[in-house]
Amino acid sequence: QKEVEQNSGPLSVPEGAIASLNCTYSDRGSQSFFWYRQYSGKSPELIMSIYSNGDKEDGRFTAQLNKASQYVSLLIRDSQPSDSATYLCAVNGLSYQKVTFGTGTKLQVIP
Amino acid sequence: GAGVSQSPRYKVAKRGQDVALRCDPISGHVSLFWYQQALGQGPEFLTYFQNEAQLDKSGLPSDRFFAERPEGSVSTLKIQRTQQEDSAVYLCASSLGQGAGQPQHFGDGTRLSIL
Repeated sequence: QKEVEQNSGPLSVPEGAIASLNCTYSDRGSQSFFWYRQYSGKSPELIMSIYSNGDKEDGRFTAQLNKASQYVSLLIRDSQPSDSATYLCAVNGLSYQKVTFGTGTKLQVIP
Repeated sequence: GAGVSQSPRYKVAKRGQDVALRCDPISGHVSLFWYQQALGQGPEFLTYFQNEAQLDKSGLPSDRFFAERPEGSVSTLKIQRTQQEDSAVYLCASSLGQGAGQPQHFGDGTRLSIL
């Protein structure tokens, strides 16, 4: 089992719809969770961080964390074509000194 | 303020050559990370520095890979006797505090191609 798993996609949604991206992780002791966006040929940029169970909202983005089920998700409301990118889930587990990234989910927002 | 700066942006080397990749983190950032990213994959952890101390190098693929951060700021990732499988994007990231439990700021990466 991979430490951090994501569906590679592509996930296609129409413009204006809600995009739902999911991530599961194996280390039950994980404490910190991050979503990064990566455009093709560019470096990852932080979208959201979440540390406790529940929802965290920032503009059109909502991160959801459920530690009991070991999943974290990212919702993007009112999806725009500019949201088309690969979304990387990253988890800081028992190792204090590193995060583990998933392989990323490619999102395509269709105008 | 300046973000994380990496150089060179692109590096082409012949198999067997040594290469050195530079990372200039955000000023004052304690933590520095190196990652290797293959096409279509997420970044894979290579090594972690807390100031000048290399606290975790468990991700370095072989003893051909070496990283240093002698004064706790600029870091260099060196790859000796390069192989074709070393071709990848090498990303550097820094964060303000200690450890990996907080957001990281990434540089633009160095795209390494081994011929």
